[in-house]
Amino acid sequence: QQPVQSPQAVILREGEDAVINCSSSKALYSVHWYRQKHGEAPVFLMILLKGGEQKGHEKISASFNEKKQQSSLYLTASQLSYSGTYFCGTEQNSGAGSYQLTFGKGTKLSVIP
Amino acid sequence: DTEVTQTPKHLVMGMTNKKSLKCEQHMGHRAMYWYKQKAKKPPELMFVYSYEKLSINESVPSRFSPECPNSSLLNLHLHALQPEDSALYLCASSQDRGTPDSNGYTFGSGTRLTVV
Repeated sequence: QQPVQSPQAVILREGEDAVINCSSSKALYSVHWYRQKHGEAPVFLMILLKGGEQKGHEKISASFNEKKQQSSLYLTASQLSYSGTYFCGTEQNSGAGSYQLTFGKGTKLSVIP
Repeated sequence: DTEVTQTPKHLVMGMTNKKSLKCEQHMGHRAMYWYKQKAKKPPELMFVYSYEKLSINESVPSRFSPECPNSSLLNLHLHALQPEDSALYLCASSQDRGTPDSNGYTFGSGTRLTVV
């Protein structure tokens, strides 16, 4: 089941903050966040597994709500290098111990000088 | 080695051709995946291999045939494709289920496939 991601696109000036949301109608095993630059492969940012968890590195952090149905990615003091498309990926048990990662439609983030 | 290597990077094939995409990882990951990505769309899961066994096939047409010869290699055999199959094909690997110490999925740079 594909998670719902918002907003679809956002334009920031350097130094501004942004929040990207990802939600599901069912409780999730985990949420992943990836960034993909044009013409490149998606790059893993972080994973959240526990309800109520918050995680971050440098100026990019994320949270997972208590019901494990919603996650948000926080980008603070944005830099030009943050530009790209951000995907949340949600992991659910597909049976027989297999987990599959399904991506949201993505948020295109553009940081301008 | 923390990379997933995909070959070829670009492929143009006719609708009657047979070709194969190759993917290799040496991170000891036990799960490997094929994703298809169209322009401005998210990656869409095609196949999942877990411990060298096909565990998920997302209703992919039989003209796509995956193969996992060993834990480091993943192939995607292509036959009688249609122009709408043109896309970026991404291979990824992971430690199977996500864990707190997980590094998520590691993606290769993809094969850009054009069917003419």
